[in-house]
This record gives sequence, structure tokens and C-alpha cells, in this order.
Amino acid sequence: GAGVSQSPSNKVTEKGKDVELRCDPISGHTALYWYRQSLGQGLEFLIYFQGNSAPDKSGLPSDRFSAERTGGSVSTLTIQRTQQEDSAVYLCASSLAPGRAQLRRNYGYTFGSGTRLTVV
Amino acid sequence: AQKVTQAQTEISVVEKEDVTLDCVYETRDTTYYLFWYKQPPSGELVFLIRRNSFDEQNEISGRYSWNFQKSTSSFNFTITASQVVDSAVYFCALSGSTGANSKLTFGKGITLSVRP
Repeated sequence: GAGVSQSPSNKVTEKGKDVELRCDPISGHTALYWYRQSLGQGLEFLIYFQGNSAPDKSGLPSDRFSAERTGGSVSTLTIQRTQQEDSAVYLCASSLAPGRAQLRRNYGYTFGSGTRLTVV
Repeated sequence: AQKVTQAQTEISVVEKEDVTLDCVYETRDTTYYLFWYKQPPSGELVFLIRRNSFDEQNEISGRYSWNFQKSTSSFNFTITASQVVDSAVYFCALSGSTGANSKLTFGKGITLSVRP
């Protein structure tokens, strides 16, 4: 597609339920990143995919969080047993592979519009 | 570890004033990339610029200009003749050069309000 697509745009869930957030990157972008933006915490990195593998999962806050990417395209971020502190906007970004991106002048990662998650 | 500091949290100016947003970074990498993103009230992050660590030439794009100073580890952003549409949160970010280090590390952001 023309941009990074995230769904749903808004999600309200009850504490303890599982949720799945979806990211559809720009076609041809092999790098995919998940971030979380919450009040007072700024933008926090969660996980990085290159193709289907995740070389950097260092930002996942707990084992309740997991993510996968299939076919080198769509990615799903799953939060199990949601807690109120999970409430935030979850953002996805995609990019050409880092080696290719660096060859391009003034090239930036493209972000989706995010999923606003509210845990009640 | 990489770190980005945006010491200013909120700035308010009157339209047509010039405003500079400060960004200071820390990294041990010799090759790295610096970014500015704009987040308007709609919420989407909009890419503005990327600067490579090996290119210290300053950049101007219309009313926007960026001053990269390696000696002080700063990458400041100036908006000339500000307009109401410039009201947004502005983030400075840093990434390394290798794949595993390609994630963006963001500053806390600066909320800019431009009053008519």
C-alpha cells in the first residue's frame, strides 16, 4: 500500500483480556519496528523485525508481549492478560533494510497512524 | 547506549516569530543518523529530516533549517517565521548504522504552540 496501515485504530478492552494489534507495512519494506507512546514515557521501542526474524526484542516490557511477522510483511503484536498500564498508542514503522536505507539521502522511517489501546 | 535529550518541553511563540528547538544526543557509534519528526494533533508521526553523522553540512528547507554540530553533539531545528500550522510535538531521534542498531531512540519531544 501507499503507507503503513495499522488496525484497529482504537481498541478498548477489559483488564485481563488478550489483544492483537496489526501492522501492514509499505510493500517492499523489509524492516519493521513497533513502538509504544504513552503519557510521560515518550516513544518507547518495543521490537525490530528484519524480514520474518526479530534481531532485537529488547524493548518488550514483559513476557505478556509478543510479536510475529509472517511472509516478511504483516506483523501482529499480541498483549496477553492486559493491564491498565498497557494503555497507550502503539505505533508501527517500516523502512527499507538498513543497508539500503542508509544509501538514500534524507530517508526516514514511515510510521502508521497507530492503535490507541485503552484497558479498562 | 544511545540517548537523546530535548531539554525544552513546551515552547509558546506568537506567529511570525522564529523558534529553535534544541536536541542533544549521546552515542558511542562513529556512524549514526539523526532525525526530526513532527507529530501534529492528528497523532501521526511525520518525517522531516535525516542527517548522517559524516555530513555536517547544515540543511535548509523553506522555513525550516537544521544545525548539526558534532563538536557539541547537537542537532537543533529552527523554524523561521512560525505559523499556526507549525503547532505540534517535535521529536528528535537517533539511530545507529547496523541492522540491529537501526531502531530509533527518541527524545521526550517538544510541544510547540504557535499563537495567532
